[in-house]
Amino acid sequence: KQEVTQIPAALSVPEGENLVLNCSFTDSAIYNLQWFRQDPGKGLTSLLLIQSSQREQTSGRLNASLDKSSGRSTLYIAASQPGDSATYLCAVRLLTSGSRLTFGEGTQLTVNP
Amino acid sequence: ETGVTQTPRHLVMGMTNKKSLKCEQHLGHNAMYWYKQSAKKPLELMFVYSLEERVENNSVPSRFSPECPNSSHLFLHLHTLQPEDSALYLCASSQESQRGYEQYFGPGTRLTVT
Repeated sequence: KQEVTQIPAALSVPEGENLVLNCSFTDSAIYNLQWFRQDPGKGLTSLLLIQSSQREQTSGRLNASLDKSSGRSTLYIAASQPGDSATYLCAVRLLTSGSRLTFGEGTQLTVNP
Repeated sequence: ETGVTQTPRHLVMGMTNKKSLKCEQHLGHNAMYWYKQSAKKPLELMFVYSLEERVENNSVPSRFSPECPNSSHLFLHLHTLQPEDSALYLCASSQESQRGYEQYFGPGTRLTVT
């Protein structure tokens, strides 16, 4: 059974700092990995999707990397801003699980002005 | 309207009530999903519909009954719920023929069962 773990569970940083969020998964036979952002009480916003054949994806100040063999992904946020405060979730899709996504519990990020 | 919309955004119901959650996607996708998000737990997949056919049902109690009348609409019918069913219910959609299968989520319905 695929398990997804996100570390740390919560993170508080001052504005302007660069930070890294971690995601690990137990089954490396994945189709892709998706990073989401969730604001309190709201739905999920897709940030980046990395296919299993890719090593990284970039969007603005966000960079996500994937190391399938070690079962790890990182989300790098450059020059953090208070508006980045949210919960960040990673989810993996296995090759054998159809369209099912397995989610981690998320990292709650607070960026202080 | 764009993306994935859900109504109502908030719902309070008693254990003997019957209610329905509605989801609509405006992305031209052919697959739709219901997820449950409870406090301090990862999102749990409940149901998957692909081309209007239910392809996955993850041991969800029968008090939850999904319906997908067409590729743009998805319902979750609720009856005789329990307090532990209080959660955020999220709908998502994707285009299954497109490499990547990126899922797009709605804003969710916050359900409270009293």
